[in-house]
Amino acid sequence: DAMVIQNPRYQVTQFGKPVTLSCSQTLNHNVMYWYQQKSSQAPKLLFHYYDKDFNNEADTPDNFQSRRPNTSFCFLDIRSPGLGDAAMYLCATSRVDIYEQYFGPGTRLTVT
Amino acid sequence: GNSVTQMEGPVTLSEEAFLTINCTYTATGYPSLFWYVQYPGEGLQLLLKATKADDKGSNKGFEATYRKETTSFHLEKGSVQVSDSAVYFCALMGSNSGYALNFGKGTSLLVTP
Repeated sequence: DAMVIQNPRYQVTQFGKPVTLSCSQTLNHNVMYWYQQKSSQAPKLLFHYYDKDFNNEADTPDNFQSRRPNTSFCFLDIRSPGLGDAAMYLCATSRVDIYEQYFGPGTRLTVT
Repeated sequence: GNSVTQMEGPVTLSEEAFLTINCTYTATGYPSLFWYVQYPGEGLQLLLKATKADDKGSNKGFEATYRKETTSFHLEKGSVQVSDSAVYFCALMGSNSGYALNFGKGTSLLVTP
C-alpha cells in the first residue's frame, strides 16, 4: 500500500542535542509538510516543500530546519531542542492538484 | 486570516447515540473544508471533505455539509460506535493560502458501551 512512513515513532533527545526526524512516502506526491502537534492542541504547520521549493511559515523558529533530498524523503532537523519542543511531529504529503493531505503516524519527541 | 472554531470537548456518548460536532470557519474566498480523525497514538486520517458550498462529504456513516451562508461544516453521525472514540479535527484550506491547512483545536469523543 502506498503510504507515508515516519521514523522513528518515538525519539528521546537531550536538551540542546541536535535531532533529525525522517519522513518517506511512496505516493509520489509533489508536496510534503511538517506539522508540530503539542499535547491536546491542533497540528501547526512548520513548513512545506513543493517539489524542491521550500516554504517556511512566518512563525516557525529558526531552530527548525528541513531537507528534501529527493521526492520520496523529507527530514526535520531540530538544531538545539528545548523542553518546549517536545511534541508529536507529523509529516504529510499531497498532490499539487488535489487538496487532500495524507499523514504519517507521527514521531513523538521527548526532550530530557 | 483563516481560522476554524470547533466545539469544546470532551464529548461522551453512549453507543448508538446521535453525534454532532460543531465547526465554524472564517476565511476569505472559497475554502475547502475537511474533517480529520486521530485515533490514540496515531497520525491524522482524512474522514471527509467538501470543496464548494452545499457539497456534502460522507464516509463511514459520518456526514458534513458545507454551508457558506452560516460558514459552518458540522460533523454528524446517526449512530456512534465504541470504535469511533477518537479526536476529530475540522480544517480548512483557503483558496489563497497555498497549501496550508488551518485546523481547529480538536474535539475528543468517547463512546461508551
